Amino acid sequence: GAGVSQSPSNKVTEKGKDVELRCDPISGHTALYWYRQSLGQGLEFLIYFQGNSAPDKSGLPSDRFSAERTGGSVSTLTIQRTQQEDSAVYLCASSLDRVGTIYFGEGSWLTVV
Amino acid sequence: DAKTTQPNSMESNEEEPVHLPCNHSTISGTDYIHWYRQLPSQGPEYVIHGLTSNVNNRMASLAIAEDRKSSTLILHRATLRDAAVYYCIPFSGTYKYIFGTGTRLKVLA
Repeated sequence: GAGVSQSPSNKVTEKGKDVELRCDPISGHTALYWYRQSLGQGLEFLIYFQGNSAPDKSGLPSDRFSAERTGGSVSTLTIQRTQQEDSAVYLCASSLDRVGTIYFGEGSWLTVV
Repeated sequence: DAKTTQPNSMESNEEEPVHLPCNHSTISGTDYIHWYRQLPSQGPEYVIHGLTSNVNNRMASLAIAEDRKSSTLILHRATLRDAAVYYCIPFSGTYKYIFGTGTRLKVLA
């Protein structure tokens, strides 16, 4: 379909390994968000990309987390040296512009063992 | 960012109307009031939004207080499928979407 696509849908990794999570936003959407949701918890904002502006990284929990958005489209969230507390579902969302409705992907479920 | 206050949880009987309140007393004049909901094991989905006037769509109605310091999401006939966490988010595009803790709605058969 034409929705926000995330991969992988599930990832189990060993503590200390690096992981990359991918988000393919809806075509033409200039705004892209990453959120994290731990089991039973609310959505935690991580990072926000809007067009060619510098990303708002204010929600990244540590320097082990980084994200990039290439060509204004696909985004990759990278977690280095994963820890067990990183286990969560990572949700990506996009919107047409900075004021539009945001549309979420199905999420990437990360389990760190 | 405007702060919001929502009840942690609410219950409703199936087929009855549900009124989900949200206080946003620090809302700015340019903030729209957005509502999203998150069904179990899914990402949030858009429900409705408005600025000053009451709004209706196929999913719900939004009643906005005259002073805009509060709003109420109205589900006219709750179904089991409406069981979700409902988030109220003042938003103008000048900053990112921040989701609060929302209201967990339980619908009783």
